[in-house]
Amino acid sequence: EAEVAQSPRYKITEKSQAVAFWCDPISGHATLYWYRQILGQGPELLVQFQDESVVDDSQLPKDRFSAERLKGVDSTLKIQPAELGDSAMYLCASSSLTGSTGELFFGEGSRLTVL
Amino acid sequence: LAKTTQPISMDSYEGQEVNITCSHNNIATNDYITWYQQFPSQGPRFIIQGYKTKVTNEVASLFIPADRKSSTLSLPRVSLSDTAVYYCLVGVSGGYNKLIFGAGTRLAVHP
Repeated sequence: EAEVAQSPRYKITEKSQAVAFWCDPISGHATLYWYRQILGQGPELLVQFQDESVVDDSQLPKDRFSAERLKGVDSTLKIQPAELGDSAMYLCASSSLTGSTGELFFGEGSRLTVL
Repeated sequence: LAKTTQPISMDSYEGQEVNITCSHNNIATNDYITWYQQFPSQGPRFIIQGYKTKVTNEVASLFIPADRKSSTLSLPRVSLSDTAVYYCLVGVSGGYNKLIFGAGTRLAVHP
C-alpha cells in the first residue's frame, strides 16, 4: 500500500538553529498538507498546497517558517531559527480527489525537540 | 468552516461498544463527515466517512441523523488496541478545501 514518506523521523536541535523536514506524498496526490501537532492537542494546519501552489498558509508563522513544493511532488518545511515553542510533531498528509470524498493519508510524522 | 465538538475523553472496557458523538451544527451541504484514529507518535489514519444515514465498514459504524448536525462513531466490542484519540472532521478534502482538526476524544479501553 502506498504511503506518505517523511524524514527525519526524529530531530533534536538547539534553539536558533535551522531545521528542515521533507515529505513525499502518495504518487498522484495533488493536495499536500503540513500539520503541526503539539503534545496533547489536535493537528494544526500550517500550510496546504494544490500541486505546487500554496492555497492556504494563514497559520504558518512566516517570520521563521517556510514551505515549498517546487515541482508539485515532494515538499520541504523549514524552520529558521527554531524556538523552544516549536517542539512538536510535524505531520505531512496528502489527498487525491478535490472537493469529494478523498481521505487524508498521513505520514508517520517528524518529531522535533528544540533544546 | 464547520466547527466540531467532541467529548474530551471517554473510558470503556474490553468487549463493550463505544459510541463517540460529534456535534457539527454549521455543517455545509457538500460537507462529508470523516473520523480519524491516532495512536501515540503516529499520524492519524482514516476510520470511516459518511454523508448521511448510516455507514458501516469492517472496523466501525457511523450514524448521521437527517439534519446532519451531529454524528456518532460506533466501535463494536472494543479491545485494548482501540485506545487512541479519535477525531471528527467535517468538510471535503483536496484543492482549496481546508480540513480542521479539533482536540479529539481520548478513548481509554481498560481490561
